[in-house]
Amino acid sequence: AQSVTQPDIHITVSEGASLELRCNYSYGATPYLFWYVQSPGQGLQLLLKYFSGDTLVQGIKGIEAEFKRSQSSFNLRKPSVHWSDAAEYFCAVAWLDSNYQLIWGAGTKLIIKP
Amino acid sequence: GAGVSQSPSNKVTEKGKDVELRCDPISGHTALYWYRQSLGQGLEFLIYFQGNSAPDKSGLPSDRFSAERTGGSVSTLTIQRTQQEDSAVYLCASSQTRNEQFFGPGTRLTVL
Repeated sequence: AQSVTQPDIHITVSEGASLELRCNYSYGATPYLFWYVQSPGQGLQLLLKYFSGDTLVQGIKGIEAEFKRSQSSFNLRKPSVHWSDAAEYFCAVAWLDSNYQLIWGAGTKLIIKP
Repeated sequence: GAGVSQSPSNKVTEKGKDVELRCDPISGHTALYWYRQSLGQGLEFLIYFQGNSAPDKSGLPSDRFSAERTGGSVSTLTIQRTQQEDSAVYLCASSQTRNEQFFGPGTRLTVL
């Protein structure tokens, strides 16, 4: 069965420190990969996506993510976090043979320490 | 419009009542999705509309849930005989391609 796992429910990072949010999926077919962010009281905003090509993807707000097929992962990274990055981050995956329906991870809540 | 809009933003209802939630997608987007997000949970797919095709209702949790999309634009999600477990944020998204979805701010439903 297709599933998406974000193993960290919460992550606390000091302002200015680097960030890595983990996302793993289970299914062998080629995935289409997304990271979305949900700030308090806001809708979901797309940060970046991977469909094909270069496995290191650049997104908005200085964020990048790397697709590693061998590890079935699409981890998000940011070199230096700001207090405004505090939000919930969702990884989502779609597969061609499941009609492109997005399967969502449970989310990782990012807390920024001053 | 500029983005996906949803109304109402908050809805409080009594158990057993029916509710209707509205979604206005981005103009020109042919695909429309409804999701449910319970507290501390990820998004649960409910239903998907694509153009004039029959909707994909595979995510609807019970026959109390239904949705319509009129004229290929506005959509209404109806929950009949609401239960407390229906309390959640209901999110609508639209897309022009089948992969990149744009989300509305959601409707927070509270069933007392």
